Amino acid sequence: AQRVTQPEKLLSVFKGAPVELKCNYSYSGSPELFWYVQYSRQRLQLLLRHISRESIKGFTADLNKGETSFHLKKPFAQEEDSAMYYCALSGAGGSTLGRLYFGRGTQLTVWP
Amino acid sequence: NAGVMQNPRHLVRRRGQEARLRCSPMKGHSHVYWYRQLPEEGLKFMVYLQKENIIDESGMPKERFSAEFPKEGPSILRIQQVVRGDSAAYFCASSPSQGFQETQYFGPGTRLLVL
Repeated sequence: AQRVTQPEKLLSVFKGAPVELKCNYSYSGSPELFWYVQYSRQRLQLLLRHISRESIKGFTADLNKGETSFHLKKPFAQEEDSAMYYCALSGAGGSTLGRLYFGRGTQLTVWP
Repeated sequence: NAGVMQNPRHLVRRRGQEARLRCSPMKGHSHVYWYRQLPEEGLKFMVYLQKENIIDESGMPKERFSAEFPKEGPSILRIQQVVRGDSAAYFCASSPSQGFQETQYFGPGTRLLVL
Protein backbone atom coordinates (compact mmCIF):
# COMPACT_ATOMS: atom_id res chain seq x y z
CA ALA A 1 0.00 0.00 0.00
CA GLN A 2 1.12 3.55 -0.66
CA ARG A 3 2.28 5.41 2.38
CA VAL A 4 4.26 8.54 3.18
CA THR A 5 5.82 8.90 6.60
CA GLN A 6 7.16 12.09 8.11
CA PRO A 7 8.48 11.03 11.50
CA GLU A 8 8.90 14.51 12.96
CA LYS A 9 5.80 16.48 13.77
CA LEU A 10 7.83 19.45 15.00
CA LEU A 11 11.35 20.57 14.15
CA SER A 12 13.15 23.59 15.52
CA VAL A 13 16.52 24.97 14.47
CA PHE A 14 18.35 28.24 14.85
CA LYS A 15 18.92 30.59 11.95
CA GLY A 16 21.95 29.59 9.95
CA ALA A 17 21.88 25.97 11.09
CA PRO A 18 21.39 23.10 8.65
CA VAL A 19 17.96 21.56 8.50
CA GLU A 20 16.72 18.20 7.29
CA LEU A 21 13.07 17.21 7.13
CA LYS A 22 12.67 13.48 6.81
CA CYS A 23 10.31 11.68 4.47
CA ASN A 24 10.05 7.96 3.86
CA TYR A 25 7.65 6.29 1.50
CA SER A 26 6.35 2.92 0.48
CA TYR A 27 5.18 2.29 -3.06
CA SER A 28 5.46 -0.75 -5.27
CA GLY A 29 6.31 1.09 -8.48
CA SER A 30 8.26 4.20 -9.44
CA PRO A 31 6.68 7.17 -7.74
CA GLU A 32 7.01 10.86 -8.23
CA LEU A 33 7.84 12.65 -4.98
CA PHE A 34 6.96 16.20 -4.04
CA TRP A 35 7.52 18.59 -1.19
CA TYR A 36 4.70 21.06 -0.55
CA VAL A 37 4.96 23.97 1.87
CA GLN A 38 2.32 25.99 3.67
CA TYR A 39 3.41 29.31 5.12
CA SER A 40 1.31 30.93 7.80
CA ARG A 41 -2.09 31.97 6.43
CA GLN A 42 -1.21 30.93 2.90
CA ARG A 43 -2.30 28.07 0.74
CA LEU A 44 -0.40 24.90 0.16
CA GLN A 45 2.13 25.37 -2.63
CA LEU A 46 4.66 23.21 -4.39
CA LEU A 47 8.20 23.67 -3.12
CA LEU A 48 10.00 21.17 -5.28
CA ARG A 49 9.58 17.86 -7.02
CA HIS A 50 11.88 14.97 -7.63
CA ILE A 51 11.69 15.02 -11.40
CA SER A 52 12.86 18.64 -11.62
CA ARG A 53 16.05 18.02 -9.67
CA GLU A 54 16.25 21.69 -8.84
CA SER A 55 16.96 23.76 -5.78
CA ILE A 56 14.20 26.08 -4.62
CA LYS A 57 14.85 28.70 -1.92
CA GLY A 58 18.03 26.82 -1.10
CA PHE A 59 16.19 23.54 -0.48
CA THR A 60 17.11 20.28 -2.19
CA ALA A 61 15.76 16.78 -1.96
CA ASP A 62 17.25 13.58 -3.30
CA LEU A 63 15.27 10.49 -4.01
CA ASN A 64 16.96 7.46 -2.46
CA LYS A 65 15.22 4.41 -3.84
CA GLY A 66 17.28 2.02 -1.73
CA GLU A 67 16.17 3.66 1.49
CA THR A 68 12.81 4.78 0.00
CA SER A 69 13.46 8.28 1.28
CA PHE A 70 13.05 11.81 -0.04
CA HIS A 71 14.49 13.99 2.69
CA LEU A 72 14.38 17.78 2.32
CA LYS A 73 17.57 19.63 3.16
CA LYS A 74 18.85 23.16 3.45
CA PRO A 75 22.37 23.99 4.60
CA PHE A 76 21.53 27.32 6.26
CA ALA A 77 18.01 27.81 7.55
CA GLN A 78 16.36 31.24 7.48
CA GLU A 79 13.56 32.59 9.66
CA GLU A 80 11.29 32.85 6.62
CA ASP A 81 11.58 29.08 6.18
CA SER A 82 9.31 28.60 9.18
CA ALA A 83 6.27 26.78 7.80
CA MET A 84 4.50 23.43 7.59
CA TYR A 85 6.14 21.05 5.14
CA TYR A 86 4.36 18.12 3.54
CA CYS A 87 5.96 15.30 1.63
CA ALA A 88 3.70 13.79 -1.04
CA LEU A 89 3.80 10.89 -3.46
CA SER A 90 2.10 10.34 -6.78
CA GLY A 91 1.92 6.91 -8.34
CA ALA A 92 2.36 6.09 -11.98
CA GLY A 93 -0.06 3.30 -12.36
CA GLY A 94 -3.62 2.26 -12.72
CA SER A 95 -6.42 3.38 -10.51
CA THR A 96 -4.28 5.64 -8.35
CA LEU A 97 -3.13 7.81 -11.25
CA GLY A 98 -3.41 11.46 -10.37
CA ARG A 99 -3.96 11.28 -6.64
CA LEU A 100 -1.40 12.48 -4.12
CA TYR A 101 -0.57 10.66 -0.91
CA PHE A 102 0.54 13.04 1.83
CA GLY A 103 2.54 12.65 4.98
CA ARG A 104 1.27 14.20 8.20
CA GLY A 105 3.54 17.20 7.83
CA THR A 106 6.44 18.67 9.78
CA GLN A 107 6.15 22.10 11.37
CA LEU A 108 9.53 23.78 10.99
CA THR A 109 10.39 26.69 13.24
CA VAL A 110 13.56 28.66 12.64
CA TRP A 111 14.58 30.75 15.64
CA PRO A 112 16.54 33.99 15.26
CA ASN B 1 -4.63 33.94 -13.05
CA ALA B 2 -6.35 34.06 -9.68
CA GLY B 3 -5.45 30.53 -8.76
CA VAL B 4 -7.76 27.89 -7.40
CA MET B 5 -10.71 29.45 -5.62
CA GLN B 6 -12.73 27.83 -2.88
CA ASN B 7 -15.78 29.09 -1.10
CA PRO B 8 -16.86 29.46 1.50
CA ARG B 9 -13.60 29.66 3.45
CA HIS B 10 -15.40 28.79 6.66
CA LEU B 11 -18.67 26.92 7.04
CA VAL B 12 -20.57 26.11 10.20
CA ARG B 13 -23.34 23.54 10.12
CA ARG B 14 -25.45 21.78 12.72
CA ARG B 15 -25.67 18.02 12.74
CA GLY B 16 -28.06 16.78 10.08
CA GLN B 17 -27.70 19.77 7.78
CA GLU B 18 -26.14 19.76 4.33
CA ALA B 19 -22.77 21.28 3.45
CA ARG B 20 -21.88 22.43 -0.06
CA LEU B 21 -18.28 23.27 -0.82
CA ARG B 22 -17.32 24.91 -4.09
CA CYS B 23 -14.09 24.87 -6.05
CA SER B 24 -13.20 26.84 -9.15
CA PRO B 25 -10.04 25.46 -10.75
CA MET B 26 -7.33 27.56 -12.31
CA LYS B 27 -8.08 28.84 -15.77
CA GLY B 28 -7.33 26.17 -18.31
CA HIS B 29 -7.39 23.34 -15.79
CA SER B 30 -9.90 20.60 -16.34
CA HIS B 31 -8.80 18.19 -13.60
CA VAL B 32 -10.00 18.66 -10.05
CA TYR B 33 -9.08 16.79 -6.87
CA TRP B 34 -10.63 17.01 -3.43
CA TYR B 35 -8.72 16.24 -0.25
CA ARG B 36 -9.75 16.22 3.40
CA GLN B 37 -7.52 17.08 6.31
CA LEU B 38 -8.57 16.02 9.77
CA PRO B 39 -6.90 17.70 12.76
CA GLU B 40 -3.29 16.63 13.28
CA GLU B 41 -3.27 14.62 10.06
CA GLY B 42 -2.09 14.99 6.49
CA LEU B 43 -4.32 15.54 3.50
CA LYS B 44 -6.26 12.47 2.39
CA PHE B 45 -7.45 12.01 -1.16
CA MET B 46 -11.21 11.90 -1.65
CA VAL B 47 -12.14 12.20 -5.31
CA TYR B 48 -10.73 13.06 -8.73
CA LEU B 49 -12.94 14.60 -11.39
CA GLN B 50 -12.76 15.90 -14.89
CA LYS B 51 -15.47 17.95 -16.53
CA GLU B 52 -18.72 15.96 -16.23
CA ASN B 53 -16.86 12.82 -15.17
CA ILE B 54 -15.87 11.22 -11.89
CA ILE B 55 -12.56 9.52 -12.56
CA ASP B 56 -11.73 8.13 -9.14
CA GLU B 57 -13.94 8.37 -6.06
CA SER B 58 -12.30 5.61 -4.09
CA GLY B 59 -11.39 7.98 -1.27
CA MET B 60 -14.94 9.17 -0.71
CA PRO B 61 -17.05 7.79 2.13
CA LYS B 62 -19.73 5.57 0.64
CA GLU B 63 -22.62 7.44 2.17
CA ARG B 64 -23.60 11.11 2.44
CA PHE B 65 -20.72 12.39 0.29
CA SER B 66 -20.94 13.24 -3.40
CA ALA B 67 -19.00 15.35 -5.86
CA GLU B 68 -19.57 16.79 -9.27
CA PHE B 69 -17.76 18.93 -11.81
CA PRO B 70 -20.33 20.15 -14.33
CA LYS B 71 -19.62 21.42 -17.80
CA GLU B 72 -20.21 24.95 -16.59
CA GLY B 73 -19.48 26.24 -13.13
CA PRO B 74 -17.41 25.11 -10.17
CA SER B 75 -16.86 21.67 -8.78
CA ILE B 76 -19.12 20.92 -5.82
CA LEU B 77 -18.43 18.64 -2.87
CA ARG B 78 -21.68 17.89 -1.12
CA ILE B 79 -22.03 16.39 2.34
CA GLN B 80 -25.52 15.44 3.39
CA GLN B 81 -26.65 15.04 6.99
CA VAL B 82 -23.35 16.19 8.42
CA VAL B 83 -21.99 14.68 11.60
CA ARG B 84 -19.35 16.02 13.99
CA GLY B 85 -16.74 13.73 12.45
CA ASP B 86 -17.07 15.64 9.17
CA SER B 87 -15.43 18.67 10.79
CA ALA B 88 -12.22 19.14 8.84
CA ALA B 89 -10.46 21.26 6.27
CA TYR B 90 -11.41 20.39 2.71
CA PHE B 91 -8.94 21.29 0.00
CA CYS B 92 -9.42 21.39 -3.71
CA ALA B 93 -6.59 21.16 -6.22
CA SER B 94 -6.48 21.42 -9.98
CA SER B 95 -4.09 20.46 -12.74
CA PRO B 96 -4.03 21.11 -16.47
CA SER B 97 -3.88 17.46 -17.45
CA GLN B 98 -3.68 13.97 -16.07
CA GLY B 99 -0.45 12.38 -15.10
CA PHE B 100 1.46 11.33 -12.04
CA GLN B 101 4.08 13.97 -12.71
CA GLU B 102 1.62 16.82 -12.98
CA THR B 103 1.76 19.55 -10.37
CA GLN B 104 -1.45 20.08 -8.48
CA TYR B 105 -2.32 23.63 -7.48
CA PHE B 106 -4.24 24.00 -4.25
CA GLY B 107 -6.98 26.29 -3.12
CA PRO B 108 -7.06 27.92 0.32
CA GLY B 109 -9.41 25.30 1.70
CA THR B 110 -12.83 25.33 3.35
CA ARG B 111 -12.91 24.80 7.11
CA LEU B 112 -16.08 22.95 8.02
CA LEU B 113 -17.24 22.94 11.61
CA VAL B 114 -20.17 20.77 12.57
CA LEU B 115 -21.85 21.70 15.84
